[in-house]
Amino acid sequence: DADVTQTPRNRITKTGKRIMLECSQTKGHDRMYWYRQDPGLGLRLIYYSFDVKDINKGEISDGYSVSRQAQAKFSLSLESAIPNQTALYFCATQEGQPYQPQHFGDGTRLSIL
Amino acid sequence: AQKVTQAQTEISVVEKEDVTLDCVYETRDTTYYLFWYKQPPSGELVFLIRRNSFDEQNEISGRYSWNFQKSTSSFNFTITASQVVDSAVYFCALSEARNAGNMLTFGGGTRLMVKP
Repeated sequence: DADVTQTPRNRITKTGKRIMLECSQTKGHDRMYWYRQDPGLGLRLIYYSFDVKDINKGEISDGYSVSRQAQAKFSLSLESAIPNQTALYFCATQEGQPYQPQHFGDGTRLSIL
Repeated sequence: AQKVTQAQTEISVVEKEDVTLDCVYETRDTTYYLFWYKQPPSGELVFLIRRNSFDEQNEISGRYSWNFQKSTSSFNFTITASQVVDSAVYFCALSEARNAGNMLTFGGGTRLMVKP
């Protein structure tokens, strides 16, 4: 089983719909992250969390919200999806120090029509 | 602010050629960490290497090697005798020690296509 699991893997939906992307991990890491990937722009940070009570905005948080339900679970919501949120979304975990690599899930490909 | 630039958006080589992927970074921190990740066509991100700012030794792992030069703020990645399986998008990323969120700043990626 994967250490970092994202669901769904693919989603197509319509403008204005509410969408939730889920991430769960078995690595026991405290730190979790949500990124989006757009062609030519690399990955950009949306939100990050150090523990259940600690949520922080990243570079591009507008239009998104998150919930850290447990150490192992971190979900990303789009309250009212718009087409320019079409992207590949990644969840990542990290043990705690900046020198440690982040470990990524397999990604969720989201298309908003 | 931290920034990572991968000027090569796409590179195409023929199998067995050597190829170097460039990465240039900007940071005001004296302690920082550089990473390379590989994204194969299947889409997942695979961690390849980490280098900290105090260690300028080059590293070799099989056909892969990395050249870190603080004087030019570069962390380049060379694949020797490339293979079709090396075809992927490669990302360089930077993390600053003083950044409380341990945020990774990614370059835009370089798509490498290795043709048989």
